[in-house]
Amino acid sequence: DAKTTQPNSMESNEEEPVHLPCNHSTISGTDYIHWYRQLPSQGPEYVIHGLTSNVNNRMASLAIAEDRKSSTLILHRATLRDAAVYYCILNTGNQFYFGTGTSLTVIP
Amino acid sequence: KAGVTQTPRYLIKTRGQQVTLSCSPISGHRSVSWYQQTPGQGLQFLFEYFSETQRNKGNFPGRFSGRQFSNSRSEMNVSTLELGDSALYLCASSLAHEPYNEQFFGPGTRLTVL
Repeated sequence: DAKTTQPNSMESNEEEPVHLPCNHSTISGTDYIHWYRQLPSQGPEYVIHGLTSNVNNRMASLAIAEDRKSSTLILHRATLRDAAVYYCILNTGNQFYFGTGTSLTVIP
Repeated sequence: KAGVTQTPRYLIKTRGQQVTLSCSPISGHRSVSWYQQTPGQGLQFLFEYFSETQRNKGNFPGRFSGRQFSNSRSEMNVSTLELGDSALYLCASSLAHEPYNEQFFGPGTRLTVL
């Protein structure tokens, strides 16, 4: 199984940038890096994904290390609505293996 | 566009019974994946169906099974329920069976086994 390692929890002040790290040292060449988040009492929702290059979308940015063994999800300005559990996932052939995720607390 | 729907939303069963959960994917999506979420084990992958064929399977006993119909709707079945099967069962759909496809999750079915 493709494995990822994330810190259990992180805190951020509202309107500050947040960098959520993920290690995936066993990544293979065909694995895509996906990030999802889960708000309380909801199913996970897509945040961003990438293969080799850094990616940006309206929600976040994804910075991928050159050796692809780690990545960082960047929320540019944290809001209270961003408080959630963030999962970093390696996807080969549409098979997701979720790690324990990082619980993000946003402090007003 | 309607999202992923799962029925029922809540279910209570007793040990030894069997249960069937249903998932309707987003229109046009051909891949459906199932996950089990518990406080102790987190989110675990059960299986994925694409074009009515099981493409991937997680590490669950044979009591857990599923199928997909020609309209991409999917069902999962758990036979001989155990207390440990109490969990939130999530279904996710995606356009195709590709590693770059985004998965859209439903709200889940909360199963309680007494």
